[in-house]
Amino acid sequence: QKEVEQNSGPLSVPEGAIASLNCTYSDRVSQSFFWYRQYSGKSPELIMSIYSNGDKEDGRFTAQLNKASQYVSLLIRDSQPSDSATYLCAVRDSSYKLIFGSGTRLLVRP
Amino acid sequence: EAQVTQNPRYLITVTGKKLTVTCSQNMNHEYMSWYRQDPGLGLRQIYYSMNVEVTDKGDVPEGYKVSRKEKRNFPLILESPSPNQTSLYFCASSTDRYQPQHFGDGTRLSIL
Repeated sequence: QKEVEQNSGPLSVPEGAIASLNCTYSDRVSQSFFWYRQYSGKSPELIMSIYSNGDKEDGRFTAQLNKASQYVSLLIRDSQPSDSATYLCAVRDSSYKLIFGSGTRLLVRP
Repeated sequence: EAQVTQNPRYLITVTGKKLTVTCSQNMNHEYMSWYRQDPGLGLRQIYYSMNVEVTDKGDVPEGYKVSRKEKRNFPLILESPSPNQTSLYFCASSTDRYQPQHFGDGTRLSIL
């Protein structure tokens, strides 16, 4: 069974700090990786996608991918209370199925 | 506005009473899928469709049916709902199976 693992948290950081969210996956040939943000009671919202090794930056968000280690992370700089949500890591496996981790809950303290 | 629309948003019903959750997208997307989300288990795919009249099982298809007669619509059918199908359900769509998916607002089902 292909898996995507995330620490459930909560990860608590003070406002203005960098939040670091991590995800590991089991399917070595996965090619596409996504981070979704989900506020309580709301639907998942795509915030980042990454397809090749290295870093990808978009505003305050940076996704990092290391395929050799089967590891993908999301950094949120200058964290704001409005960033408090559950962050879902999703990996598209070799059969093109999107597999989700169970999410990490982030709390940004004012 | 580009969107995925699910109805109803909330439903409380009883065991065995057939129900349908509708999903419609206005983005001309080929790929559509249904997920259920349960605490601690994350999002699990129920069924997906790569195009009209092409559907396939996801990870947890038991107790569910789908159809894709038109490109924009992908209804989820529970023929004989049971309490273990109480969950939060999301419909999602994307241009094709390679692209990230966009989610509807969700349907919270309670089966008593």
